[in-house]
Amino acid sequence: SAVISQKPSRDICQRGTSLTIQCQVDSQVTMMFWYRQQPGQSLTLIATANQGSEATYESGFVIDKFPISRPNLTFSTLTVSNMSPEDSSIYLCSVGNSNPGNTGELFFGEGSRLTVL
Amino acid sequence: AQSVAQPEDQVNVAEGNPLTVKCTYSVSGNPYLFWYVQYPNRGLQFLLKYITGDNLVKGSYGFEAEFNKSQTSFHLKKPSALVSDSALYFCAVRDWRYSSASKIIFGSGTRLSIRP
Repeated sequence: SAVISQKPSRDICQRGTSLTIQCQVDSQVTMMFWYRQQPGQSLTLIATANQGSEATYESGFVIDKFPISRPNLTFSTLTVSNMSPEDSSIYLCSVGNSNPGNTGELFFGEGSRLTVL
Repeated sequence: AQSVAQPEDQVNVAEGNPLTVKCTYSVSGNPYLFWYVQYPNRGLQFLLKYITGDNLVKGSYGFEAEFNKSQTSFHLKKPSALVSDSALYFCAVRDWRYSSASKIIFGSGTRLSIRP
């Protein structure tokens, strides 16, 4: 399985500011995803980070609020823009592969715990 | 509809006893099923999966899961619980609305607490 590093691991942010989370993988991966885990909740998929093109967002998430970059097959960033306390969550990067025979299991980074005051 | 349900928010077990964490699913295609574990302040770790074949699948840390097609269930089990098994457990299923095998839906999670 891939080793996935996320930075920052945690941060405390002021309302109205933006924060960029980085995700670095130790090998090339086809699929990269960003999830949000609100306090005491399950995981919700924010978007699929597509290499060299715009991310694909899930219903309820928009590019202006959560801009995503993916310049290559090992790196992605998620920005949480104009933060409010409701954005306080753990943000998780995950990777998978779309190789033939891939059965879909994902591997996750350690997460970035954001608290917005 | 593609969904997965974990009916128990919390499961409490004494150390050394067997444990079961329940999961039921609803899918329109073949059920690709997964279990993940999340330890405090950590990301999710993949435990095991069912794709096809033997209904009993074995995974990491001594866990296993039993696929039951007639009951549409995929319960996670361990014969003898350890205090270190205390964590949050997520059941997940492939979302067949998407062509990518990596699009999966997570259950609400079950917190497993093992008392010494």
